[in-house]
Parts: sequence; C-alpha cells; structure tokens
Amino acid sequence: EAQVTQNPRYLITVTGKKLTVTCSQNMNHEYMSWYRQDPGLGLRQIYYSMNVEVTDKGDVPEGYKVSRKEKRNFPLILESPSPNQTSLYFCASSLALARFDEQYFGPGTRLTVT
Amino acid sequence: GENVEQHPSTLSVQEGDSAVIKCTYSDSASNYFPWYKQELGKRPQLIIDIRSNVGEKKDQRIAVTLNKTAKHFSLHITETQPEDSAVYFCAASLSYGQNFVFGPGTRLSVLP
Repeated sequence: EAQVTQNPRYLITVTGKKLTVTCSQNMNHEYMSWYRQDPGLGLRQIYYSMNVEVTDKGDVPEGYKVSRKEKRNFPLILESPSPNQTSLYFCASSLALARFDEQYFGPGTRLTVT
Repeated sequence: GENVEQHPSTLSVQEGDSAVIKCTYSDSASNYFPWYKQELGKRPQLIIDIRSNVGEKKDQRIAVTLNKTAKHFSLHITETQPEDSAVYFCAASLSYGQNFVFGPGTRLSVLP
C-alpha cells in the first residue's frame, strides 16, 4: 500500500531533550516536506527536500533540522525542544512537485513539550 | 516571501446551498494553487488544484477559479452535503517546488 508514515504519532517530552520524528514514504517520491499545524495559523512549512541530499528552509525552520540521506526517509530533528514547538506535525511527499504532482500527507505527529 | 490570506475563517451553509472560499496571494511568481480538505483528526487531502495557465477547473461539485491579475483564487462547492463539513486550506507554490505557503484555513459547516 502506497503511504507516508510518521513515528511516533504522539510524543510528550521535556524542554531540551533532543528528539527525532521519522517520516518514510514507499512511493519513490522525490519531494518531501515537513509542516507544523497550529490553530488559526494553518499549515506552515518547516523544511522541504527536492531530492536526496537537497534540503531547503520553509517559512519556520528555526529550532529544527532535517536530513535526506535516502530517498524514502526525511527525519525531523529537534535538538533542544521548547514549549513553543508544541504542535501537530505533518510530513508530506510528492512524486516531483515541479510537475505539479499531488502532495500526500502522513497521519501526523502530535508533539507536546513541557 | 509569499503570503496567503483566506476568507472567511468560518462558514456555515444550509445543505444544498453553495459555499465559496476565497484566497489571495502576494507573490506574482506563484503558479500552482491547490486546495486541501481536512476532516477532524485526519490528514489534509488534496481535493482540487489549478495551475496559473488555467482560469477555471471543475470536478463534479467542486470548482476553482483563478484571477492572476488580482492575485486571488476561489473554491466553489455546489449542492453542499453534510460530509463537506471540514476545514479547507488553500495554498500557493512556485512550479519548481519552492516552499509551499498555506492559508490559515476555513471551517465549513453544512447544516442539515
């Protein structure tokens, strides 16, 4: 089954404790992206990747890191999480956005930083 | 950078009526405009999209119109049904995949 998976789905952590949210797709998609969703603000892009080893900042990259060592995986790293990073996070992938291919979203990861 | 505004933030319509949601964007270079539907507790899903070389696109009860001169695009849902109740997001992007910018969303409620 073609899908985008994220792990964990729910995470409660404390300020400053490094964490990684994994994202994986099995559709051989070139484009992958991370968003955070907050009430009243919609979806805001954190980082995106056009292909392996190619990443770029979105609108809200501060406090986050990403890597794209393999085509299928695009982990989101919070080196020192803070309470303002409490949010719902979505990973998404697309065959090749330059061709206007549809973005498929993962199920979301709800992160709480206390 | 790109900025996308979306109105209204909430919309209630009677079942069978039409619903219209409007978005404006700031970057005239944007040329891809998708609309996503997000039901409560679920992931966003693409419902329709339009490219800048097209003025209108229709898919059954859903249509999108684009006015490049005015830099706005709209989602039209006709003959609304209760299952249309959701949050709808518009977005804008450049064709070569630079960052996607979403609007803040519209919560549509279809009343029986």
